[in-house]
Amino acid sequence: EAQVTQNPRYLITVTGKKLTVTCSQNMNHEYMSWYRQDPGLGLRQIYYSMNVEVTDKGDVPEGYKVSRKEKRNFPLILESPSPNQTSLYFCASNLGGKGTEAFFGQGTRLTVV
Amino acid sequence: GQQVMQIPQYQHVQEGEDFTTYCNSSTTLSNIQWYKQRPGGHPVFLIQLVKSGEVKKQKRLTFQFGEAKKNSSLHITATQTTDVGTYFCAGGWSGTYKYIFGTGTRLKVLA
Repeated sequence: EAQVTQNPRYLITVTGKKLTVTCSQNMNHEYMSWYRQDPGLGLRQIYYSMNVEVTDKGDVPEGYKVSRKEKRNFPLILESPSPNQTSLYFCASNLGGKGTEAFFGQGTRLTVV
Repeated sequence: GQQVMQIPQYQHVQEGEDFTTYCNSSTTLSNIQWYKQRPGGHPVFLIQLVKSGEVKKQKRLTFQFGEAKKNSSLHITATQTTDVGTYFCAGGWSGTYKYIFGTGTRLKVLA
């Protein structure tokens, strides 16, 4: 089954404690991205990757890091989480190029206290 | 910069009533996509529009892309409780693979 898998689904952590949210896709997609969803703000792109070792900032990259060492994996790293990073996070992948639909993971609800 | 605005933010309708959400871009789009997110779920792709003035239908859903390719709408005829969720548009531009999502319209259908 074609899917994008995120882990964990839920996470509560303390300010400053480094964390990683994993994302994996089994569709051999080139393009992957991370979004955060906040009430009234919709989905905002954090980082995206057009292929292995190729990443770039989205609209709200501050406080986040990513890596793309393998085509299927695109982890999101919060080196020093802060309460304003409490949000619902989605990983998405698509085939690449214009006009290809994005497949979203199930989401990770992160709370930073 | 590129922005995508979506209205209304919320809409409550009685079951059987129609519903429309509108999406506007500050600049000309290359294409626009629509997604639906059920409560507690993740966004799921509905459709993509590419041509100026394009109209596409999926059962009770009608999608339109404006002539100037700066606006789009999603219209649902005779809503059902299964239509509940948040509908997002996502604008795409020439020269980039990036999509910018609208803020979404949250639809509630009262039985």
